Amino acid sequence: SQKIEQNSEALNIQEGKTATLTCNYTNYSPAYLQWYRQDPGRGPVFLLLIRENEKEKRKERLKVTFDTTLKQSLFHITASQPADSATYLCALGNTGGFKTIFGAGTRLFVKA
Amino acid sequence: EAQVTQNPRYLITVTGKKLTVTCSQNMNHEYMSWYRQDPGLGLRQIYYSMNVEVTDKGDVPEGYKVSRKEKRNFPLILESPSPNQTSLYFCASSQRLAGGIFNEQFFGPGTRLTVL
Repeated sequence: SQKIEQNSEALNIQEGKTATLTCNYTNYSPAYLQWYRQDPGRGPVFLLLIRENEKEKRKERLKVTFDTTLKQSLFHITASQPADSATYLCALGNTGGFKTIFGAGTRLFVKA
Repeated sequence: EAQVTQNPRYLITVTGKKLTVTCSQNMNHEYMSWYRQDPGLGLRQIYYSMNVEVTDKGDVPEGYKVSRKEKRNFPLILESPSPNQTSLYFCASSQRLAGGIFNEQFFGPGTRLTVL
């Protein structure tokens, strides 16, 4: 069955460092991948979308890579700040259907 | 302001008592979806709708119903709630881009449901 794996353990980093989060998937051929941020008790908020034919996407301090051979996406936050502390979700979709599959998310803590 | 609204935000009910969670979006999006979120399991899709009168099952549809009579509204119905439906529910909407890819999903604030 289709499966998405994100680091279940929380990621703790120091302010100013780069946070790197991983999203791995199996039994799926996504046409695109999205990253969302979720704060406790709130709905997810969209951050970035990357298509299968794109290797890398950037937005301000955020960078996403997408390797369809490794079936993996990496999400980087450079110069991290305590305000970046949240749970980050990856989601996969394809053009052949209308389902969206989400990972369980990785909790990020940025210490001042 | 572009938004997705859900009501109620919190609900405590008893087993078997029918309930409806409403969802409305003001962005004229064709695509709407319902998710439930449980600790360790992430967001799981319950039902989605591509347009008015077009709905389909997601990964966990058992025990739920939906309808899409108007483009802006997509209510979630629990005909006979059970304790295993205790969860945090999110409604979302999106627009399809060229090439069949879905743009960002806009999520509602969530409905925390407890079934006793």
